Amino acid sequence: QKEVEQNSGPLSVPEGAIASLNCTYSDRGSQSFFWYRQYSGKSPELIMSIYSNGDKEDGRFTAQLNKASQYVSLLIRDSQPSDSATYLCAVNLDGNQFYFGTGTSLTVIP
Amino acid sequence: GAVVSQHPSRVICKSGTSVKIECRSLDFQATTMFWYRQFPKKSLMLMATSNEGSKATYEQGVEKDKFLINHASLTLSTLTVTSAHPEDSSFYICSASERGYGYTFGSGTRLTVV
Repeated sequence: QKEVEQNSGPLSVPEGAIASLNCTYSDRGSQSFFWYRQYSGKSPELIMSIYSNGDKEDGRFTAQLNKASQYVSLLIRDSQPSDSATYLCAVNLDGNQFYFGTGTSLTVIP
Repeated sequence: GAVVSQHPSRVICKSGTSVKIECRSLDFQATTMFWYRQFPKKSLMLMATSNEGSKATYEQGVEKDKFLINHASLTLSTLTVTSAHPEDSSFYICSASERGYGYTFGSGTRLTVV
């Protein structure tokens, strides 16, 4: 079983809509959770981190964590074409080793 | 925030030669760094974990004699692709983590072997 699973997509949403990206993980001992955005040909960049159950908002981005159900999601409000990228979910178990999902490709259609 | 510098950003080399890629943590010490490879439109593939002062830990299927990793200081790890072949052409990315605070990635190295 993969440590971290994401739907590879592609996910397409119209400009201005809410994009919802989901991620599930297998290890209940996971402590911290991260969302990265990767544009084609570029390195991933960290956009959100979340450590406790509930929602965390940063601008148009909201990360949601539910440890009981072992999922973490990312909502992007008012989606823009510039949000088109691959979004990677990462889970940290013990402070050092991180596990990445395979990424979800998002396309925002103007 | 944490900054990881990777150099070079792009390299073209002849088949059979070796290429060294450097990864530096600029404002923090990293006892552990990670090396990834990414093929076009594919996800990140962890190649190895670089440990300061000790041998790197390689993922299954990654040839340690081909991908030499040296982590001689708390701020520098190097990946040397030895006897490169066209199939080694890929995007190589390093990363480091301030403990528990997420990965910071280098800008990546686009390797083309001709």
